[in-house]
Amino acid sequence: EAQVTQNPRYLITVTGKKLTVTCSQNMNHEYMSWYRQDPGLGLRQIYYSMNVEVTDKGDVPEGYKVSRKEKRNFPLILESPSPNQTSLYFCASTRLAGDATYEQYFGPGTRLTVT
Amino acid sequence: SQQGEEDPQALSIQEGENATMNCSYKTSINNLQWYRQNSGRGLVHLILIRSNEREKHSGRLRVTLDTSKKSSSLLITASRAADTASYFCATDPDKLIFGTGTRLQVFP
Repeated sequence: EAQVTQNPRYLITVTGKKLTVTCSQNMNHEYMSWYRQDPGLGLRQIYYSMNVEVTDKGDVPEGYKVSRKEKRNFPLILESPSPNQTSLYFCASTRLAGDATYEQYFGPGTRLTVT
Repeated sequence: SQQGEEDPQALSIQEGENATMNCSYKTSINNLQWYRQNSGRGLVHLILIRSNEREKHSGRLRVTLDTSKKSSSLLITASRAADTASYFCATDPDKLIFGTGTRLQVFP
């Protein structure tokens, strides 16, 4: 079954304690991305990756890091989390069609609370 | 700033009725996509319409696109309680940018 998995699904942590949210896809997609979703703001892209070892900033990259050492994995790293990073996070994997269209497959989400 | 903005923000209807949601965007696009999100879950791709298309159907879904007005509409016909979710439009040009969504509630 084609899927995007994220772990953990829920996390409550304290300010400053480094954390990593993992993301993995089994569809051999080259393009992956991270979003955060906040009430009234919709989904905003944090980082994206066009391929292994190729990452770039999205709209709200401050306070986040990513890595793409393997095609299937795209972890999101918060080196020093702060309360304003409390949010619902989604990883997405994108199928790029030959006609410049694409479709994103989303993970189930990670609800992060930073106290 | 957000590219897509959905209207209305929330919509409540009875089962069997049609639900119409609108999306407006700001810049030129290659395609526009609609997604559904059940509460707290990931988004699920519903339908894509290209910039050179005006209307597209998929089951009970009908999407229209008016590039001159920079707007799109999603019509769900004969709605069901299971259609209760938030609906987002997403546009490129070079990456998907999501609006804030329309929350649809369908009462049995």
